[in-house]
Amino acid sequence: EVQLVESGGGLVQAGRSLRLSCTTSGFTFGDYAVAWVRQAPGKGLEWVGLIRTKPYGETKDYAASVKGRFSISRDDSKGIAYLEMNSLKSEDTAVYFCGKDSLSIAWYGFCDYWGQGTPVTVSS
Amino acid sequence: DFVMTQSPDSLPVSLGERATINCKSSQSVFYSSTNKNYLAWYQKKPGQPPKLLIYWASTRESGVPDRFSGSGSGTDFTLTISSLQAEDVAAYYCQQYIKLPYTFGQGTKLEIK
Repeated sequence: EVQLVESGGGLVQAGRSLRLSCTTSGFTFGDYAVAWVRQAPGKGLEWVGLIRTKPYGETKDYAASVKGRFSISRDDSKGIAYLEMNSLKSEDTAVYFCGKDSLSIAWYGFCDYWGQGTPVTVSS
Repeated sequence: DFVMTQSPDSLPVSLGERATINCKSSQSVFYSSTNKNYLAWYQKKPGQPPKLLIYWASTRESGVPDRFSGSGSGTDFTLTISSLQAEDVAAYYCQQYIKLPYTFGQGTKLEIK
């Protein structure tokens, strides 16, 4: 069974950093790109970024709202993806979800499995 | 960036009736080389992760009931629920994945009338 579990969320002061983890099981993690999406309270879904697989250089792309502050990485040996969030702002307050891209090795850009999410609250 | 605009923002529908949600992209999401529309639909319930319903604009994800269908091409798309069930109450989002950064529509909240 494919599973993704986010962790690391919590309450943090504005300007500080936080690292989220996405721990996976049930599939060959290294074969899939991973995306991060967030949902602020009462708002819609916002795409945050993605990291591709090793054959694609583990390259990353980010939304403009987080570029330069957030960084995605992955550890294929552990089956874990990370979202490093720096210089946090109150507008980063949201539930953060990680998702598994539906295409093996390359990527499509949509996710067929998601974690339950981890909440992040940034206090100002 | 691609702007995805959904309508309506809120949609009350009676049980058993048809629900239609629209999604319009600021630019075409059709790629001629693959002959595909790079458009997905998700269902989102409070406290739950997004659930993939439709991809390539009209391909139903495995396990999704056949009352859900997607249509459209280019810049205009529709998600249709043919006969609304109580468990379909949720927010629905379209997402384009033809060009980075990928973007979602603002969402449509489907409720029981």
